[in-house]
Amino acid sequence: QKEVEQDPGPLSVPEGAIVSLNCTYSNSAFQYFMWYRQYSRKGPELLMYTYSSGNKEDGRFTAQVDKSSKYISLFIRDSQPSDSATYLCASRAGANNLFFGTGTRLTVIP
Amino acid sequence: EADIYQTPRYLVIGTGKKITLECSQTMGHDKMYWYQQDPGMELHLIHYSYGVNSTEKGDLSSESTVSRIRTEHFPLTLESARPSHTSQYLCASSPPGHSTDTQYFGPGTRLTVL
Repeated sequence: QKEVEQDPGPLSVPEGAIVSLNCTYSNSAFQYFMWYRQYSRKGPELLMYTYSSGNKEDGRFTAQVDKSSKYISLFIRDSQPSDSATYLCASRAGANNLFFGTGTRLTVIP
Repeated sequence: EADIYQTPRYLVIGTGKKITLECSQTMGHDKMYWYQQDPGMELHLIHYSYGVNSTEKGDLSSESTVSRIRTEHFPLTLESARPSHTSQYLCASSPPGHSTDTQYFGPGTRLTVL
C-alpha cells in the first residue's frame, strides 16, 4: 500500500471555478502535510504547509487536513489559467523524509 | 526563486556509459536530496545528505551513488547506465534549522538511456 494516494486526474476546470484536490494517507503517525505545485518542465515548489488537523488559508488557497479520516485537501478559489500545473501532496512523520503522492494534473481553461 | 541548479537538463546516452548528474545550490543549505520521478508516479527519494560527508540511501533502491564533499554540491553517478534508468531526476535542498518540508527543487534532469 502506498503511503500517500492521490488521484492523478487530469482535471480540467473553467476559469473562476473552485478546485478541490484530494489525497489520502495510510500512516497514522503522519503529522506534517504539504502541497507542492509543479509547472511543466520545472521542479516542485512548496505551496502550502499544515501541521496536524485543521485548515490553513493563503490567498486563494486553502489546505485542509482531517486526521480522523486520513484525508488531505487543497481548495483553490477563483482558479486562474496560471494555476494550471501538477499538484503534489506530501506527508511525513516526525523528522523523517517526505512521502509524495503521484500528483494531480490541473488545467484551468480561460 | 530558489538557487538550485541541475545539469544537464536533458541527457540521451547509450547503455553501459558512466554518467554524472550535477546538482549545486548557492543557498548554504545543509540538507540535499535526490528524487526519481516517472510519469504518473510519485516522487521517490533515492538519496539524501544532511551535511558534508554524510549520505544515505532513500526509500527507493537505486543503483546510483552520490557524494557530498562540499556543502553546495551533491552529484549523482551511474557507473553503467541501462534503459531502466530512464527517468526524471530531481535534486532538492533544505535550509539549516528547517525540517525536511521546506525543500527547494531544481529543474530536473531528464535522462534517456537507449
